[in-house]
Amino acid sequence: GNSVTQMEGPVTLSEEAFLTINCTYTATGYPSLFWYVQYPGEGLQLLLKATKADDKGSNKGFEATYRKETTSFHLEKGSVQVSDSAVYFCALSPSSNTGKLIFGQGTTLQVKP
Amino acid sequence: NAGVMQNPRHLVRRRGQEARLRCSPMKGHSHVYWYRQLPEEGLKFMVYLQKENIIDESGMPKERFSAEFPKEGPSILRIQQVVRGDSAAYFCASSGDQGTHEQYFGPGTRLTVT
Repeated sequence: GNSVTQMEGPVTLSEEAFLTINCTYTATGYPSLFWYVQYPGEGLQLLLKATKADDKGSNKGFEATYRKETTSFHLEKGSVQVSDSAVYFCALSPSSNTGKLIFGQGTTLQVKP
Repeated sequence: NAGVMQNPRHLVRRRGQEARLRCSPMKGHSHVYWYRQLPEEGLKFMVYLQKENIIDESGMPKERFSAEFPKEGPSILRIQQVVRGDSAAYFCASSGDQGTHEQYFGPGTRLTVT
């Protein structure tokens, strides 16, 4: 079946530190991969996406590369800010194109000044 | 351009009552998805609807839960005879083209069953 596994949080970093949040997936076929961010009290916002192997999604300084050989889509940012504090969700959309997203459990990031 | 709207934002129901959650998709979007987020868990897919049609309800509990997306008006997620285990955040998302897989989420409805 299809599933997504994220590293457990919370992740606590100092401002300007390097961020990695690991995400691996299990899927049949060729899924699309996404990172969503949820700020306190708000809904999810799409952060970045990649639709095929070796694609790199990027937005607001965040990057993730679709690695089919390792079935991974790790999120990285070179220098985090306090405003990046949020919950980050990795998700996949199966290639069967049913429309539904399958989410990881979420990783809480806390950035301290 | 208004985003996805959900109401109410917070809903308190006693056990046995009915809960009705509403979702208005983004303007021009005809695909609606409902997800549930239980405490300390990720979002779980419930149902996918297009106007007047249920496309995929593989994540819906077999009893007490139903969803609709009428030709006019918002999508409704209805939970009959709520139990404490239904307490969760319910998120709605919409998309304009299923092929892009890009879904836009509302702020969610937090249901508390007392």
